[in-house]
Formats: sequence, C-alpha cells, structure tokens
Amino acid sequence: EAEVAQSPRYKITEKSQAVAFWCDPISGHATLYWYRQILGQGPELLVQFQDESVVDDSQLPKDRFSAERLKGVDSTLKIQPAELGDSAMYLCASSPTTGLPYEQYFGPGTRLTVT
Amino acid sequence: KNEVEQSPQNLTAQEGEFITINCSYSVGISALHWLQQHPGGGIVSLFMLSSGKKKHGRLIATINIQEKHSSLHITASHPRDSAVYICAVRVGSRLTFGEGTQLTVNP
Repeated sequence: EAEVAQSPRYKITEKSQAVAFWCDPISGHATLYWYRQILGQGPELLVQFQDESVVDDSQLPKDRFSAERLKGVDSTLKIQPAELGDSAMYLCASSPTTGLPYEQYFGPGTRLTVT
Repeated sequence: KNEVEQSPQNLTAQEGEFITINCSYSVGISALHWLQQHPGGGIVSLFMLSSGKKKHGRLIATINIQEKHSSLHITASHPRDSAVYICAVRVGSRLTFGEGTQLTVNP
C-alpha cells in the first residue's frame, strides 16, 4: 500500500541552527500539506501545495520558515533559525486533489526537539 | 473559542466497554474526519463523512449537520484501541483539527 514518506523521523538541533524536513507524497497526489503539531494539541496547517504552487501559507511564519515543492512531487520544509518554541511534530499529508473532500493520507511525522 | 471542540479530553475505559467521543463545531463544513493517532505520531484516517452514519468493524461515526455535532463510537473496546482520536472539519480546502481525545483502554 502506498504511503507518505518523511525523513528524518527524529531531529534534535540547537536553537539558531537551520533544520530541514523532507516529504514524499503518495504517487499521483497533487495536493501536499505540511502541519505542525505541538504536544497535546491538534495539527495546525503550515502550508498547502497544489502541484508546485502554494495554495495556502497564511499560517507559515515566513520570517523563519520556508517550503518548496519544485517539481510538484516531493517537498522540503526548512526552519532557519530554529527557536525553542519550534519543538513539535511536523506532519506531511497528501491527497489526490483539493476542492473536493478527499481524504488526507499522513506520513509518520518528524519529531523536532530544539535545545 | 476553538472552531472544533472535542469531549472528553481524556477517557479511561475497561476492556469491552462502549466508548463515545464527541465533536462539536461552529462553522459550515463540507466534511468531517475522524482520525486516530498512536504514540509515535502517525495519523490514520478512520472516517470521512458529510451526513448520516458510517460503520467500519467496531467503529461507528455519526454526524448531525443541523446540530453541528459528530460522535465516534467504539463497541467492545480493546487495549489496542488506546490512542488519541482527533476530529477535523473541512472548510473549503482546509482541515481544522480538534485537540484530540486521549483514550486508554485497560485490560
């Protein structure tokens, strides 16, 4: 069964350092989402891509976060510089398309700890 | 007030008990999702529904659009059902998530 892949699974970094996460969605899925989940809370959307275009990045802290999906397939989320408050689970999800209520398929997540 | 409210926040049950988790929302939606998250973080979609009721094995999800309310039921609960259950509502192309219900089923 096809799955969303994410790496790394765990990342420990010092504050002010740069960190990057990678996501490979299910093949053929046009829509890709990056979420941040703080412990004890539900996921919060950071950015949504439709193919290579950003559809929604209203919740992305653009002073330190960036995301790209250059060829409309895999995606990278970067934080520079990392802050203590960025410690969270970063989840990637994909769905066949946007607009219609398709299910989202989630990856295993990357747990980030900033020290 | 959050757009999506779940109750209870924490639930402990004995194996075999019937479980109900509730979700209320305050906006117009096109669909509601129930998700399961195990320790370690991976999220699995259980149901997506926009009306009525869906059943899969021991899990049942219902939604009342007029009352803006959904419930997730687990019959004959088992320790392997222990997880966080998250309600999410779809508004446009965006999902808004509740904070989750931590379910622990003891043997």
